[in-house]
Amino acid sequence: GQNIDQPTEMTATEGAIVQINCTYQTSGFNGLFWYQQHAGEAPTFLSYNVLDGLEEKGRFSSFLSRSKGYSYLLLKELQMKDSASYLCAVSTFSGGYNKLIFGAGTRLAVHP
Amino acid sequence: DGGITQSPKYLFRKEGQNVTLSCEQNLNHDAMYWYRQDPGQGLRLIYYSQIVNDFQKGDIAEGYSVSREKKESFPLTVTSAQKNPTAFYLCASSIQGSVVGYTFGSGTRLTVV
Repeated sequence: GQNIDQPTEMTATEGAIVQINCTYQTSGFNGLFWYQQHAGEAPTFLSYNVLDGLEEKGRFSSFLSRSKGYSYLLLKELQMKDSASYLCAVSTFSGGYNKLIFGAGTRLAVHP
Repeated sequence: DGGITQSPKYLFRKEGQNVTLSCEQNLNHDAMYWYRQDPGQGLRLIYYSQIVNDFQKGDIAEGYSVSREKKESFPLTVTSAQKNPTAFYLCASSIQGSVVGYTFGSGTRLTVV
């Protein structure tokens, strides 16, 4: 079966660093995405990992270990506007079809 | 500007009525997808389509129907058979076979009263 797990909620302080973990068990793995979603809005793309290792993009970094079925999103120098849900999604390819499977999301609250 | 448009943004319907949500894209993307999101939860796949006149059921297709008569359009009908239709519905598109990810519409919030 397909399964993606991430913590339900996290809190952090403005200016700090937070790491959001994601573990997955899927078939036909084609890469892992992180999206940010503010309430009532569409998800916006943050990062994509297909090879093991760390991808850095400004204040956000994402890590992938395919052998462990594990990824994390690292947010540095947290700002109040970073309060949002963060969705881990795995790209799968099966039966000729490509699709994204999403985790339930992690709600991050950033406090002053 | 290329993009994906969902309409309307808010929709209210009486229980037992069918309702159709619109999704149109001008990105020339082959693949289109419909997801449902409930409060505090992730996105669950309802239906997806890789080419015109072809579509596949996702994880929660019961009570929903779709059509793909044109490349640009992928409307979703929420039928009276859907037991709990109140949710946030997101449409997305991508290049067929691409692993680059999706372009999302802005969503439709459906409330059944």
